[in-house]
Amino acid sequence: DGGITQSPKYLFRKEGQNVTLSCEQNLNHDAMYWYRQDPGQGLRLIYYSQIVNDFQKGDIAEGYSVSREKKESFPLTVTSAQKNPTAFYLCASSIGGLAQETQYFGPGTRLLVL
Amino acid sequence: AQTVTQSQPEMSVQEAETVTLSCTYDTSESNYYLFWYKQPPSRQMILVIRQEAYKQQNATENRFSVNFQKAAKSFSLKISDSQLGDTAMYFCAFMKHSYTGANSKLTFGKGITLSVRP
Repeated sequence: DGGITQSPKYLFRKEGQNVTLSCEQNLNHDAMYWYRQDPGQGLRLIYYSQIVNDFQKGDIAEGYSVSREKKESFPLTVTSAQKNPTAFYLCASSIGGLAQETQYFGPGTRLLVL
Repeated sequence: AQTVTQSQPEMSVQEAETVTLSCTYDTSESNYYLFWYKQPPSRQMILVIRQEAYKQQNATENRFSVNFQKAAKSFSLKISDSQLGDTAMYFCAFMKHSYTGANSKLTFGKGITLSVRP
């Protein structure tokens, strides 16, 4: 089955700790995205990548980092600099390029601070 | 910058009836895309329908249709024959067209919670 997987489903972070959220897709999509969802605020873009080894900051990139070493994978690290990391994190992908295609979403990771 | 406004936080509809969810947006762009996504209690974001701004014809997908009014910057979703499985949060989203394919980000509204009553 083609799709987007995110792991873990739930993640707990201690003060001062960096944590990494996984996002993998087997849709052969070039573009991948990370969004953060807070109650009552909709989704906001953290980072996006149009192609391997390239990524761009979104609207709320501070306290986060990403890498894009493989087409299939776009992990997100929540660093200790992110002071309010508790949220639901959604990864998405799309065909990319000039196609302007629809973004499809993974099942999400819920991050909680201990 | 683009903004998307969903002014109704919650709505309720009787099973088998029709409901319309409102969305307005603000942009200076002439070429763009609009989407409705559904987020059920599982929290998986599911595409419901997509509309290209250059198309005058309103998009339809089975029981779901939109009323796209470009001049008024309005994009409402109509759900016909509502089913219990339609209970979810619905998000309206905007994507600017890019001639280079770059920066194809989605700007979301805050969502509306729809409850379908049996």
